[in-house]
Amino acid sequence: AQSVTQLDSHVSVSEGTPVLLRCNYSSSYSPSLFWYVQHPNKGLQLLLKYTSAATLVKGINGFEAEFKKSETSFHLTKPSAHMSDAAEYFCVVSGLGGYQKVTFGTGTKLQVIP
Amino acid sequence: EAQVTQNPRYLITVTGKKLTVTCSQNMNHEYMSWYRQDPGLGLRQIYYSMNVEVTDKGDVPEGYKVSRKEKRNFPLILESPSPNQTSLYFCASSLKVAPVSTDTQYFGPGTRLTVL
Repeated sequence: AQSVTQLDSHVSVSEGTPVLLRCNYSSSYSPSLFWYVQHPNKGLQLLLKYTSAATLVKGINGFEAEFKKSETSFHLTKPSAHMSDAAEYFCVVSGLGGYQKVTFGTGTKLQVIP
Repeated sequence: EAQVTQNPRYLITVTGKKLTVTCSQNMNHEYMSWYRQDPGLGLRQIYYSMNVEVTDKGDVPEGYKVSRKEKRNFPLILESPSPNQTSLYFCASSLKVAPVSTDTQYFGPGTRLTVL
């Protein structure tokens, strides 16, 4: 079985300050982990993914995430928030070994204050 | 342009009236999937398909059917819709490189369904 927990449903930051969106997972397999972003009234777009290569993953728009197996975490960070980062972010886990299901977290809405 | 398309984008219907939401991708992807998105619940997988004529249940398959007769199309069928199926629905596809769990999914624009 696999699950993913996004620890904050809403995060509010000021423009230019760091962003931290937290994600913890559990998986019976060695997981692949993703972050997707959904801007208002839009579909989802991949930000970055971890697939058992480097544990620090860089994505688009200056975002990065670090896979920490000991903490079962995959937190998303960005050094400096931009107004265009306001969106909903989803942490996603899928398993190896032929387990094809994909499990989404419940999402974190990021508000960026000017 | 590489894309996943869904139709209709918006649909209001009544309880019990059968409906189909179409999904089509032009990227020759083997894996396709349907999700529903509800406030506070994120996206939940309804059904997925690894290839033509191969489909399997996700986490919330009750009340839904799918078919995969062609690689590019993956329609979602609600035989007898009920108000609890009011939701935002997304279709997604991926190439299915090995292992498939590492695939990036490409999402359609969504279909907002209201069942009265």
